[in-house]
Amino acid sequence: EIVLTQSPATLSVSPGERATLSCRASQSVNSNLAWYQQKPGQAPRLLIYGASIRATGIPARFSGSGSGTEFTLTINILQSEDFAVYYCQQYNHWPPMYTFGQGTKLEI
Amino acid sequence: EVQLVESGGGLVQPGGSLRLSCAASGFTVDNNYMNWVRQAPGKGLEWVSVLYSDGTTYYADSVKGRFTISRDNFKNTLYLEMNSLRPEDTAVFYCARDNDWAGYMDVWGTGTTVIVSS
Repeated sequence: EIVLTQSPATLSVSPGERATLSCRASQSVNSNLAWYQQKPGQAPRLLIYGASIRATGIPARFSGSGSGTEFTLTINILQSEDFAVYYCQQYNHWPPMYTFGQGTKLEI
Repeated sequence: EVQLVESGGGLVQPGGSLRLSCAASGFTVDNNYMNWVRQAPGKGLEWVSVLYSDGTTYYADSVKGRFTISRDNFKNTLYLEMNSLRPEDTAVFYCARDNDWAGYMDVWGTGTTVIVSS
């Protein structure tokens, strides 16, 4: 099983600032990594796939980077609606055994 | 509008069974990879199962042999049959679409809650 470790567990940032979230894989997942945002009581929302491709309708302030085992989600000029929990997910394993990171809570 | 709506959750005793449904609209379930993902109370996301468009299925080790994913193309609905339920299966269950047949999930339902308790 590929283990994804997200850091930090909680990130405190002020609106208007930049947030940098990390996701480390226990073995290479190439670029087969996605990022999701989840707000309380809501389903996850796809932000990034292919490590760096923004999903449809996702604002340009969200960007993803990395490959192999080290990945980063950057959120520029934080808006109030960006405060949520963020999960990374790998889909490189074959046969499919998708795994998620434990999440990073982005708080004000 | 592309939408997924789950139903069928509830309270069930340990060892019991439950069938979850996920009704799709705006697209066809048989032309996509369809997943179930769960989230235990206060915890993170856990992938449960995927059903490929060709009918191939895969499961997480934690549910293999107990859960079965299937679909009804006529009803455009995805299912998750859950047997031998355990307290640790308590979670919100989401269905999610993989539109690119790649492994990431671009559309999610609102979830249905399963509680396994005596």
